[in-house]
Amino acid sequence: RKEVEQDPGPFNVPEGATVAFNCTYSNSASQSFFWYRQDCRKEPKLLMSVYSSGNEDGRFTAQLNRASQYISLLIRDSKLSDSATYLCVVQGVGGKLVFGAGTILRVKS
Amino acid sequence: DGGITQSPKYLFRKEGQNVTLSCEQNLNHDAMYWYRQDPGQGLRLIYYSQIVNDFQKGDIAEGYSVSREKKESFPLTVTSAQKNPTAFYLCASSIGTAIYNEQFFGPGTRLTVL
Repeated sequence: RKEVEQDPGPFNVPEGATVAFNCTYSNSASQSFFWYRQDCRKEPKLLMSVYSSGNEDGRFTAQLNRASQYISLLIRDSKLSDSATYLCVVQGVGGKLVFGAGTILRVKS
Repeated sequence: DGGITQSPKYLFRKEGQNVTLSCEQNLNHDAMYWYRQDPGQGLRLIYYSQIVNDFQKGDIAEGYSVSREKKESFPLTVTSAQKNPTAFYLCASSIGTAIYNEQFFGPGTRLTVL
């Protein structure tokens, strides 16, 4: 089993739609969780950290479910500019961050 | 502006040659990392360094070498022993010495072996 697994997509959604991504992880002792955004042929950029209580940043909401070992990212009112690959990042065994392969989002007008 | 710079942006190498990728940061971060990204795959950790003059192997260190002589700099050498070096190489840094803190990335170097 991979340490971090994501649905690769692509998720094709119209502008204004709400879309959600899930990511499962195997290390039950993980303490650090992040969502990164990566545009085509660019470097990953931190979108948001994920806290135990869940957190929101504008149109983006991240949640953590420790019992089922997954994190989620919800994007409301999708914009064309949200089109990107979203990387799930979790602390792995040994403490290092482990990056998922990413979920592709395409927002269409 | 504070940030991480990588050079060159594109690099072409003939088989059998060693090449060195540059990574510099002025964020005063203690930890630095090198990753490799192949199409459709997640980032894979090559090497990391938590303090000057010390570094650790990541998951795919074979065929690579690093040095950390200065806090700001963490160059990566891709040696001829690396069998499939064509990839997108990303350097990152993070605050403090803990390796589970959020990481900030440079713009990357695309290496192509001819």
